[in-house]
Amino acid sequence: DGGITQSPKYLFRKEGQNVTLSCEQNLNHDAMYWYRQDPGQGLRLIYYSQIVNDFQKGDIAEGYSVSREKKESFPLTVTSAQKNPTAFYLCASSIWADPEAFFGQGTRLTVV
Amino acid sequence: GESVGLHLPTLSVQEGDNSIINCAYSNSASDYFIWYKQESGKGPQFIIDIRSNMDKRQGQRVTVLLNKTVKHLSLQIAATQPGDSAVYFCAENKDTGFQKLVFGTGTRLLVSP
Repeated sequence: DGGITQSPKYLFRKEGQNVTLSCEQNLNHDAMYWYRQDPGQGLRLIYYSQIVNDFQKGDIAEGYSVSREKKESFPLTVTSAQKNPTAFYLCASSIWADPEAFFGQGTRLTVV
Repeated sequence: GESVGLHLPTLSVQEGDNSIINCAYSNSASDYFIWYKQESGKGPQFIIDIRSNMDKRQGQRVTVLLNKTVKHLSLQIAATQPGDSAVYFCAENKDTGFQKLVFGTGTRLLVSP
């Protein structure tokens, strides 16, 4: 059963700590993406990766970091430099240059 | 991106009614548009897409209409069901690739039995 899996579903972090969100896909997609969603706002692109060992900043990359060591995995680290980390984070994957992508179920991060 | 308020526009309908969700897009050069459905606490799901060389496209119980003259997109859902209750986003693509999609803020659809 192909799909994209994000974990954990809920995550709590103390202010000043880094935290890593997991995203795994078995769709054999080259491209993967991270979005942030805040209440009443559209999705905003954090980072994307076209291929293994390559990634590009999106519109709101400050305070985040990513890696792409495997085709299936694209973890996102929310660093202590991110001023407002509390949000719903969505990972997606697609065939590169295809305008449609598949989304994971999201991780809700709360900074306490 | 554009700053928006915390409250989404909401459309309330009765089960069985037809629903029309509207979206204004920003760039006349956009050539691809997608509608997504997002249920509470879940990721968006693709519903239907349309290219700028089309005015209308139909899917199962859904129809998307594109009016390029006024840069307006609409999603029509026939015989709306309680399971259709969700937030609906439109997105426009000005360039090749998913990373170029610009998402709207969404409309909440509430379906009453």
